[in-house]
Amino acid sequence: SDELTQPPSVSVSPGQTARITCSGDALAKKYAYWYQQKSGQAPVLVIYEDFKRPSGIPERFSGSRSGTMATLSISAQVEDEGDYYCYSTGSSGNHRVFGGGTKLTVL
Amino acid sequence: QRQLLESGGGLVKPGESLRLSCAAAGFIFSDYYMSWIRQAPGKGLEWVSYISESSTYIDYADSVRGRFTISRDNAKNSLYLQMNSLRGEDTAVYYCAREWGSSSAGWYFDVWGRGTLVTVSS
Repeated sequence: SDELTQPPSVSVSPGQTARITCSGDALAKKYAYWYQQKSGQAPVLVIYEDFKRPSGIPERFSGSRSGTMATLSISAQVEDEGDYYCYSTGSSGNHRVFGGGTKLTVL
Repeated sequence: QRQLLESGGGLVKPGESLRLSCAAAGFIFSDYYMSWIRQAPGKGLEWVSYISESSTYIDYADSVRGRFTISRDNAKNSLYLQMNSLRGEDTAVYYCAREWGSSSAGWYFDVWGRGTLVTVSS
């Protein structure tokens, strides 16, 4: 199956570490990517190839992958609130698959 | 500056057609795979279709296969999505996105447009 499963929501206090998981068979062979989407805006890539940060993404964002699970960790600030989507190329290498998204609340 | 700008969205009735366009600027358009991704109101992201640099490779999500057609014009730095037999469940913001990666490592989206809203309703 190419499905990616995420928890619907995660809530933390400022300064705490938020961990958002993503599980799916495709992750056993393919990299995980993470996108942040704030209300009314296009998604922004925050982690690529499991743990790499694009230019301009703060160091408080980190990623890891083991087996069929990937994890996005954020030392959360209020401005990090939003929806986070994991993504991977399907096991066939053709399809592109998003997780269902996780709403991060920092309060 | 790398930019993607979608256009062509609007309100249509079920069964009707619509053609979306995406204009690229700030990079060599013909060097990249491109994709369409959509997001229904209040829902998550759904990949719709991709097209390779020279249009050799194309694929669709099962939900749109046979109804939608992706194409590109490298001379015009433009990507298109022809949507036929539209349904209510096709209502969404449609984003075009540039792809980066490889067949071995996988493909991902590194540049996104702001999206264009398609509403299918009678």
